[in-house]
Amino acid sequence: QVTLKESGPALVKPTQTLTLTCTFSGFSLSTTTMRVSWIRQAPGKALEWLARIEWDDAKFYNPSLTTRLTISKDTSRNQVVLTMTNMDPVDTATYYCARTLYSNTYYYDYWGQGTLVTVSS
Amino acid sequence: SSELTQDPTVSVALGQTVRITCQGDSLRDYYATWYQQKPGQAPVLVIYGRHNRPSGIPDRFSASRSGNTASLTITGAQAEDEADYYCNSRDISGSHVLFGGGTKVTVL
Repeated sequence: QVTLKESGPALVKPTQTLTLTCTFSGFSLSTTTMRVSWIRQAPGKALEWLARIEWDDAKFYNPSLTTRLTISKDTSRNQVVLTMTNMDPVDTATYYCARTLYSNTYYYDYWGQGTLVTVSS
Repeated sequence: SSELTQDPTVSVALGQTVRITCQGDSLRDYYATWYQQKPGQAPVLVIYGRHNRPSGIPDRFSASRSGNTASLTITGAQAEDEADYYCNSRDISGSHVLFGGGTKVTVL
């Protein structure tokens, strides 16, 4: 059974760095073709892809956020960590991690429940 | 352009058929994937690849593509199909991912 769960602070101040952890089970990021992505959704808004990390440690970022994002993995602990620097109130959103597969395009077959992050002083 | 465009809202009478579209240049090369999201819940994968449904997704959901437009069709819409639907695909570079703006489906 595949599960993912996001964890991190519910509230961060502007300019601070956000660190989110995705802890998963039911698959391994050391398995060829496995990937994990982060996706966020501001209140009432659409989904927005943030970053993806692959089994071979390849990393890909949303071009509009690439300077602020870092994604990493700890295969032994089944965790993926996303850091986002210089947080702003517009970054207030629910942040999801999702297992990522590939069939001509990338898709997300299992999602975490999401964690709401509010950016406010 | 490097974006995916969806109609914001669409309505359908109970038991009727509704088509949700997603437009974007990258769809000429890559399939769209579709997700259903109900209020307060994480998105659920509905269609992936050319026209594959994950286990548990009813066969009233189907997908198609023509040119730069991908479509999700619900044949015989049910009350529980009322939700937001998002498409996603790769961007033209192939390395990054795009999401559409979402379509809110109302079942009347």
